[in-house]
Amino acid sequence: SQKIEQNSEALNIQEGKTATLTCNYTNYSPAYLQWYRQDPGRGPVFLLLIRENEKEKRKERLKVTFDTTLKQSLFHITASQPADSATYLCPGGSDSWGKFQFGAGTQVVVTP
Amino acid sequence: SQTIHQWPATLVQPVGSPLSLECTVEGTSNPNLYWYRQAAGRGLQLLFYSVGIGQISSEVPQNLSASRPQDRQFILSSKKLLLSDSGFYLCAWSADLITGELFFGEGSRLTVL
Repeated sequence: SQKIEQNSEALNIQEGKTATLTCNYTNYSPAYLQWYRQDPGRGPVFLLLIRENEKEKRKERLKVTFDTTLKQSLFHITASQPADSATYLCPGGSDSWGKFQFGAGTQVVVTP
Repeated sequence: SQTIHQWPATLVQPVGSPLSLECTVEGTSNPNLYWYRQAAGRGLQLLFYSVGIGQISSEVPQNLSASRPQDRQFILSSKKLLLSDSGFYLCAWSADLITGELFFGEGSRLTVL
C-alpha cells in the first residue's frame, strides 16, 4: 500500500541552526508534494508545494527539495527560531486528483 | 478572503449517541470539501471528500457519513458513536482538486465515553 514515512522521533535543534526533515514515499510516485505545519490542537497550515519536475522550492527561511529517483523530499528550516517549533507534515498527491496521503509528521523543537 | 469554520470545537458524547459536526466555507464558490480524522499521535486520515452539492465519496468504511446540502456546507454525522470514533476531526477545502493547497478549519475534538 502507499505509504509516507517521516521520522517519528522529534527533532530537537538549537535556535539559529538548520533543521532538516525527511519524507520518504513508498509504493507510489507522487506528482507533487506539499508541506504543512501543524501546531498542537490546530489544523495544518500549508507551507510549500513542489512538483516532480522541480528540484527545489524556497519560501523565506524554508527550502524543499524533491528527488523523484529516491522518492524523497527534504524540508529545511534555516536560522531556526523557537516559533518554528511545530509538527511538519508532507502529504503527496497523485496525478488523478488531490487525494492527499498524510503521514504522522515530524515534531520540531527549537530551543533558545 | 476565504474562511472556513467548523463546530462544535469540543464535544464529549456517550457510546451509541448520534453525532453532527458542521463545516462552512465563506468567500469562495464550488470548493472541494474534505473531512479528515486525526487520532492522537497519528497522521490525518481522509474520511470523505466532495466535489459538489450532493456528491460524497467515502475513503474508509466506517460508522460515519457525510452530506453536502449546500455548496459551502459539509456535515459529518453518525447515528451511533463508537469508542473508536474519538479523535480530532478536521474539515478542509481546496480550490484546485489536483494540486490545490488544503485550508483547514479549527478542528473538532470528539471524545466518546
